[in-house]
Amino acid sequence: KNEVEQSPQNLTAQEGEFITINCSYSVGISALHWLQQHPGGGIVSLFMLSSGKKKHGRLIATINIQEKHSSLHITASHPRDSAVYICAPHPGRGGADGLTFGKGTHLIIQP
Amino acid sequence: KAGVTQTPRYLIKTRGQQVTLSCSPISGHRSVSWYQQTPGQGLQFLFEYFSETQRNKGNFPGRFSGRQFSNSRSEMNVSTLELGDSALYLCASSLGQTSYTFGSGTRLTVV
Repeated sequence: KNEVEQSPQNLTAQEGEFITINCSYSVGISALHWLQQHPGGGIVSLFMLSSGKKKHGRLIATINIQEKHSSLHITASHPRDSAVYICAPHPGRGGADGLTFGKGTHLIIQP
Repeated sequence: KAGVTQTPRYLIKTRGQQVTLSCSPISGHRSVSWYQQTPGQGLQFLFEYFSETQRNKGNFPGRFSGRQFSNSRSEMNVSTLELGDSALYLCASSLGQTSYTFGSGTRLTVV
């Protein structure tokens, strides 16, 4: 079973700060997703990555497959970034298994 | 293009009843997966369907079942509802292992 640890669980920061959310997992994976969930429940997939680094706007995701670790960074944070961020490793075996999930990081960006 | 559509959005059922939830994936997506989200357990994988076949199943009792039709639309059924089944049920569609697109979810309340 894939154990997924996210840190921090809760994070409150001021607008403009650089944010880092970490995710560690215990088993080999084929890919890892970073998800964003706003109040009300809607989930948006931010990134899917299997190696290296991806950037989209102010968001950057990195993954180290050997160390079983991924990070999500937000540069120049803004109150609209306030949401729950969830990492979701996709176990190996050709992707035949379902996603597993971290407990999420509750991020609040204050103006 | 249209997103993932889940119906109904909200549902209230009584203990012991059964419920059927529906998910219409993005056109062309043949993979549909289902997830349960509760405050205590977070997001958990229920099952995944691809071309009308269940590819994988999470650790849920047999009261939880699903199916996928030839047009890729999927349904999940929960029989003999329990209070603990109250949750947000999300489905997601994907093209293989590419980025997942989530629906808005069905919020089920069991009373």
